[in-house]
Amino acid sequence: QQPVQSPQAVILREGEDAVINCSSSKALYSVHWYRQKHGEAPVFLMILLKGGEQKGHEKISASFNEKKQQSSLYLTASQLSYSGTYFCGTEGGGSNYKLTFGKGTLLTVNP
Amino acid sequence: DVKVTQSSRYLVKRTGEKVFLECVQDMDHENMFWYRQDPGLGLRLIYFSYDVKMKEKGDIPEGYSVSREKKERFSLILESASTNQTSMYLCASSSLGGVPSYEQYFGPGTRLTVT
Repeated sequence: QQPVQSPQAVILREGEDAVINCSSSKALYSVHWYRQKHGEAPVFLMILLKGGEQKGHEKISASFNEKKQQSSLYLTASQLSYSGTYFCGTEGGGSNYKLTFGKGTLLTVNP
Repeated sequence: DVKVTQSSRYLVKRTGEKVFLECVQDMDHENMFWYRQDPGLGLRLIYFSYDVKMKEKGDIPEGYSVSREKKERFSLILESASTNQTSMYLCASSSLGGVPSYEQYFGPGTRLTVT
């Protein structure tokens, strides 16, 4: 079952903040976040692991509530380059190596 | 840098044709994946492979098969293409890593149109 992402879309002005949520109905080992710009391949942002460890490449923060099976991605002081569709991918419930992705959140940052 | 390449960016096929989509990665990754991406539905896993000749069904395997004869290459096969298989197809690869898994690297995608 796909995790549920909210909101489906958000429009910001440059410099504003946004939070994207990802919720699953199953116990999770990890949550992955990816961003896809229009016409491009999805690109890895970060992994949040059970136990609180966080691995990522960019200055974007996130949280993982293991009890609620929820993750949130925090985009602060947004830049034009943050525009794109954000996907969470969840791993758990005995599905080794396999991610189940949400439907995505379209983020648009305007000048 | 990891590079995942797909054989075609755009492909147009007729209903009933056999279609091969090829994916090659150059980082010696054990895991390879095929997804389809449709508007409003996100990325849905078709099949994945964790080793040569090994494969597992994903969430939507019906109408598809896969082949992995070499570690770097993973093929998606549509035995008899149908119009409802018109979609963007994305290939990805990752290191084995155990659980939790490592990040996935995606190819540029193949936009397949079945007429």
